[in-house]
Amino acid sequence: AQKVTQAQTEISVVEKEDVTLDCVYETRDTTYYLFWYKQPPSGELVFLIRRNSFDEQNEISGRYSWNFQKSTSSFNFTITASQVVDSAVYFCALSEANTGFQKLVFGTGTRLLVSP
Amino acid sequence: EPEVTQTPSHQVTQMGQEVILRCVPISNHLYFYWYRQILGQKVEFLVSFYNNEISEKSEIFDDQFSVERPDGSNFTLKIRSTKLEDSAMYFCASSPQRGLNTDTQYFGPGTRLTVL
Repeated sequence: AQKVTQAQTEISVVEKEDVTLDCVYETRDTTYYLFWYKQPPSGELVFLIRRNSFDEQNEISGRYSWNFQKSTSSFNFTITASQVVDSAVYFCALSEANTGFQKLVFGTGTRLLVSP
Repeated sequence: EPEVTQTPSHQVTQMGQEVILRCVPISNHLYFYWYRQILGQKVEFLVSFYNNEISEKSEIFDDQFSVERPDGSNFTLKIRSTKLEDSAMYFCASSPQRGLNTDTQYFGPGTRLTVL
């Protein structure tokens, strides 16, 4: 069964702090994608990153970095030097080869509040 | 940058009425999706659509729901007889192609459906 768990419901930080959002996934498939999406207060879903199951290299994009560890089934997201504009709900998601990658299974999201 | 668009942004309807939510996917994309997000909850997959037919659907997508690509650009979700519990944000998404390294779903801004 496929499942994504984001145990942190809400995190509050002060601007310039680093923050890590946790994501743990479950899948029986050996071939899958993991994603992070951002949902700002305006409501849209903004794609941040996709990772395939064969690529465990960590990735950095500006202030964002992602740590993918198959051994712990985790795909954590770190924002360095957070800014007020980072305030949003962040969703981790999974798609599997056995569904033809046709459906994203989302976690419940982590609300990040960055205060000035 | 091309993006998925959705209309209307907000739809209010009476219980039992039919609604049609409209989406214009990114023009060279081949796969289309609908998701919904009940207020404050996670995003849930409804249906995927490829080559003018449904390729995958969830248990939520019952006989009250239907999808259509009436022309070369629009993709619609119809709810035949709305219920109070259909109140949610409905997201349309599209992706360019299947494949381990290319599949990413891009989401529209959503339509907020309120059933009274």
